[in-house]
Amino acid sequence: GDSVTQMEGPVTLSEEAFLTINCTYTATGYPSLFWYVQYPGEGLQLLLKATKADDKGSNKGFEATYRKETTSFHLEKGSVQVSDSAVYFCALRGVSGGYNKLIFGAGTRLAVHP
Amino acid sequence: GAVVSQHPSRVICKSGTSVKIECRSLDFQATTMFWYRQFPKQSLMLMATSNEGSKATYEQGVEKDKFLINHASLTLSTLTVTSAHPEDSSFYICRADGGGETQYFGPGTRLLVL
Repeated sequence: GDSVTQMEGPVTLSEEAFLTINCTYTATGYPSLFWYVQYPGEGLQLLLKATKADDKGSNKGFEATYRKETTSFHLEKGSVQVSDSAVYFCALRGVSGGYNKLIFGAGTRLAVHP
Repeated sequence: GAVVSQHPSRVICKSGTSVKIECRSLDFQATTMFWYRQFPKQSLMLMATSNEGSKATYEQGVEKDKFLINHASLTLSTLTVTSAHPEDSSFYICRADGGGETQYFGPGTRLLVL
């Protein structure tokens, strides 16, 4: 079945450091790919998405490119801030049973220190 | 502000009792609601999918008689954990889908069964 694998955390960085969180997927067909962010005590929020190969999703300085040849959707940010501390989830959306189902990776906790 | 709410946010109950969790879409009509379960440091696992006015579709391995889902209106879905046991302790999250890109997660409900 479809699945998502993302790097284990926690990831601890100093402010202004470069961030990469790896995500790879296994899926039939052509899924849409997403990154969600969960801030402490809050629900998941959509951070960015890409719906087809070579698409680049971007938001709030974060970027991820849909790489079909490597089945990857790595999240990057050039300069992280303390406010970026959160848990990040990679997800894919496939169609099963007629419903658009989101399948999540395990989540990666990011801690940014001043 | 939040567009999907969950109530309660936290609940502690005794083993053998039933617990009801509500998920409401606040400013849109959710034709489909998804319920997820998240164990500590693990991914979100889809439990079931429900459409307003019809029976929920449960994922493999999820006991439908234990996790009762009711989607009585376009803005409200409830998940009832019947005869809860300590192994049911988890973080339960709903996702409301209003069609297209209108889909949001609730903030989650943490259940602790003693």
